[in-house]
Amino acid sequence: EAGVAQSPRYKIIEKRQSVAFWCNPISGHATLYWYQQILGQGPKLLIQFQNNGVVDDSQLPKDRFSAERLKGVDSTLKIQPAKLEDSAVYLCASSGGETQYFGPGTRLLVL
Amino acid sequence: DQQVKQNSPSLSVQEGRISILNCDYTNSMFDYFLWYKKYPAEGPTFLISISSIKDKNEDGRFTVFLNKSAKHLSLHIVPSQPGDSAVYFCAASRTGANNLFFGTGTRLTVIP
Repeated sequence: EAGVAQSPRYKIIEKRQSVAFWCNPISGHATLYWYQQILGQGPKLLIQFQNNGVVDDSQLPKDRFSAERLKGVDSTLKIQPAKLEDSAVYLCASSGGETQYFGPGTRLLVL
Repeated sequence: DQQVKQNSPSLSVQEGRISILNCDYTNSMFDYFLWYKKYPAEGPTFLISISSIKDKNEDGRFTVFLNKSAKHLSLHIVPSQPGDSAVYFCAASRTGANNLFFGTGTRLTVIP
């Protein structure tokens, strides 16, 4: 069974630029999550989708972050404009039950 | 507000001995707990979980213990192997919510 796929794996941008991350969950998993992991901390939930609907986006900085999962499968997370403090690893996870399975993450560096 | 805490940032253990990683939580609504292992440049990998209706769950060399009254759980690895060297994250959730709250991680080093 293929795992959660994410791309790109690494991205370096300058502040005020925009960036987008892509996630393909495990086949059949209805729930998809985006987490932000800042160096030295545990992952923090940004947004949770159930199929193509948003379940929880209370921690998403909506003035600059957006996410979509139009067909209930793949998802994209966008940051526009990026700030220095957005430097982190962005993890995508999916679940078909109680256990979440994570992708390898996208490491973002904002200069 | 850190609802899940791992107070030991690092732990070193000799190969073959027991590794004990600890985790505390503050939210009494949490009823499902997980441990994830993370290698550098990879995403967290699910290791083992426990529901609040149990106080112990075992899977091979890994055992998780839950003490609900103390709001404490621990992961035991016996015997520890060099390949177990990684960062271990404790996570918690509550039924119906599914979003996980993570601790800050404990870096385990198993010395050959």
